[in-house]
Amino acid sequence: DADVTQTPRNRITKTGKRIMLECSQTKGHDRMYWYRQDPGLGLRLIYYSFDVKDINKGEISDGYSVSRQAQAKFSLSLESAIPNQTALYFCATSDSGSYEQYFGPGTRLTVT
Amino acid sequence: AQSVTQLGSHVSVSEGALVLLRCNYSSSVPPYLFWYVQYPNQGLQLLLKYTSAATLVKGINGFEAEFKKSETSFHLTKPSAHMSDAAEYFCAVTGGTGANNLFFGTGTRLTVIP
Repeated sequence: DADVTQTPRNRITKTGKRIMLECSQTKGHDRMYWYRQDPGLGLRLIYYSFDVKDINKGEISDGYSVSRQAQAKFSLSLESAIPNQTALYFCATSDSGSYEQYFGPGTRLTVT
Repeated sequence: AQSVTQLGSHVSVSEGALVLLRCNYSSSVPPYLFWYVQYPNQGLQLLLKYTSAATLVKGINGFEAEFKKSETSFHLTKPSAHMSDAAEYFCAVTGGTGANNLFFGTGTRLTVIP
């Protein structure tokens, strides 16, 4: 079984809809991250969480919110989706003593 | 501020030829550096990392990278390209503030020509 899982893997939604992307991990890591990937822009950090009670904004947090429901679960929400949020979204985890991050398989989101 | 520049968004090599993917970094503190690979429809997988030990780092699948402080570079190489190396490669640098955040380059797509 994969250590970092993301659901759904693909999602098409309409402008203005609320959508939630979910991430779960079995690695026992305390730190979790959400990135978006756009062609030619690499990965950009949206939010990160060092533990259940510690959530921080990343480089591009506007239009997004997150929830750390448990050490193993970190959800990303788009309250009112817009077309320029069409992207590939990745969840990642790391141990507090390491810089190495482990990535999920990604969620491809299309906002029409 | 930390940043990474990857020269060349697309690189093509013939099968069996040398692979060289370039990465230059900017960091206000001694960095940790990473190369990740992304195969089609998959997440990112760690290839190798530099964490202030040996400057020549060996990774998976025959890849290696050399940390050169004087050139602020961390180029990725492989002596002989294989068709299975076709993927997108990302260089990343740590934030340097004690946090685990990584700053990623824009990626280089490697094509291997048979």
